[in-house]
Amino acid sequence: IVMTQSPATLSVSPGERATLSCRASQSVSSNLAWYQQKPGQAPRLLIYGASTRATGIPARFSGSGSGTEFTLTISSLQSEDFAVYYCQQYNSWRLTFGGGTKVEIK
Amino acid sequence: EVQLVQSGAEVKKPGESLKISCKGSGYRFSNYWIGWVRQVSGKGLEWMGIIYPGDSDTRYSPSFQGQVTISADKSITTAYLQWSSLKASDTAIYYCARPTGGGGNGADAFDIWGQGTMVTVSS
Repeated sequence: IVMTQSPATLSVSPGERATLSCRASQSVSSNLAWYQQKPGQAPRLLIYGASTRATGIPARFSGSGSGTEFTLTISSLQSEDFAVYYCQQYNSWRLTFGGGTKVEIK
Repeated sequence: EVQLVQSGAEVKKPGESLKISCKGSGYRFSNYWIGWVRQVSGKGLEWMGIIYPGDSDTRYSPSFQGQVTISADKSITTAYLQWSSLKASDTAIYYCARPTGGGGNGADAFDIWGQGTMVTVSS
């Protein structure tokens, strides 16, 4: 299953909303996770089951979608949110990641 | 505290062998799959494969099948990723990660990650 993320880079001002997209080449039901990765750090799980926030993740992060189209929304970008975001499907044990979206300061 | 601690950075020459490790603690190691993920500098995440330490059931991404070997020793709660003959293209950071749920078939989100092991292959 090929995961395609768009855009590759998103320029956003602090306090604004960011909307990231992830598309699967075939249905993955709701078996979709989102991760955040900052330079020099391991990825951090944000969302699983397409819309469930992981432990300790702020409410400004929300996920939606099912089947082949998914969205990660950051309602009001904070300075610590500028990072690369990856989606990952786990509908089968052959897991695949999207190519990532870099959220940068505008 | 649930954590995965990986072995340190490695510098190797092409053709050499290598085995890196990932030690789990704070949970029942045998009951959770452990996955490996590659990240080439400046690039994205690539899932390599996964192992269930309880019975050593192992599955590989087609991209990595035959290129690496994943193993685990549940007696010391450690998973391994090894190469028999490294190539320059193996230069990357390698992460181990644990899924959110135990058991199953390994298809899950990863909520616990190791700190990563940098492998550099250069002549």
